[in-house]
Amino acid sequence: GQQLNQSPQSMFIQEGEDVSMNCTSSSIFNTWLWYKQDPGEGPVLLIALYKAGELTSNGRLTAQFGITRKDSFLNISASIPSDVGIYFCAGPDIGSARQLTFGSGTQLTVLP
Amino acid sequence: KAGVTQTPRYLIKTRGQQVTLSCSPISGHRSVSWYQQTPGQGLQFLFEYFSETQRNKGNFPGRFSGRQFSNSRSEMNVSTLELGDSALYLCASSYGLAGANIQYFGAGTRLSVL
Repeated sequence: GQQLNQSPQSMFIQEGEDVSMNCTSSSIFNTWLWYKQDPGEGPVLLIALYKAGELTSNGRLTAQFGITRKDSFLNISASIPSDVGIYFCAGPDIGSARQLTFGSGTQLTVLP
Repeated sequence: KAGVTQTPRYLIKTRGQQVTLSCSPISGHRSVSWYQQTPGQGLQFLFEYFSETQRNKGNFPGRFSGRQFSNSRSEMNVSTLELGDSALYLCASSYGLAGANIQYFGAGTRLSVL
């Protein structure tokens, strides 16, 4: 199956700072999804991307579908304490488009 | 609209026992997928059910099984529990097949095997 490499693995930032994380794949994706998981909860969908080059925002979050279709980026502006959590990229397996493959996650900590 | 509901939220079992986890999808969703989440392996796909049929299966041993009922509710069963089965088990539902539709996750069932 496909492999999704997500980086960085963890980040410690000051409140108010901007954050950037990315995901790369060894093969082409047709859809990129970004989820956030709070401690003890399931992942919640943040942004869905469907076209190469697409740039989509959801409040302070902005995500982009890379032109090569092998990568995606998530940016968070002016971080706040409730941004703490694990951020996952995901996409359907291109071979069969029958299941989601997840990145390993970026653990974000926001310091006051 | 109610979200995906998983029960129970927490379970403690001992090695060798079996366990059944339940998932009620979002109303109108016909696909239910199950994932295992552990610190070391991340989120790993177990299987997907659509219209009461298993449509896709991940790379897990036969001790892991599931089923889906006519109302789209799904159960997952793990037999002969091992210590390594300790994990957060997540259920996700989607309107259509998971690969082509957005999946929405439940809060998960935390299973501890002693």
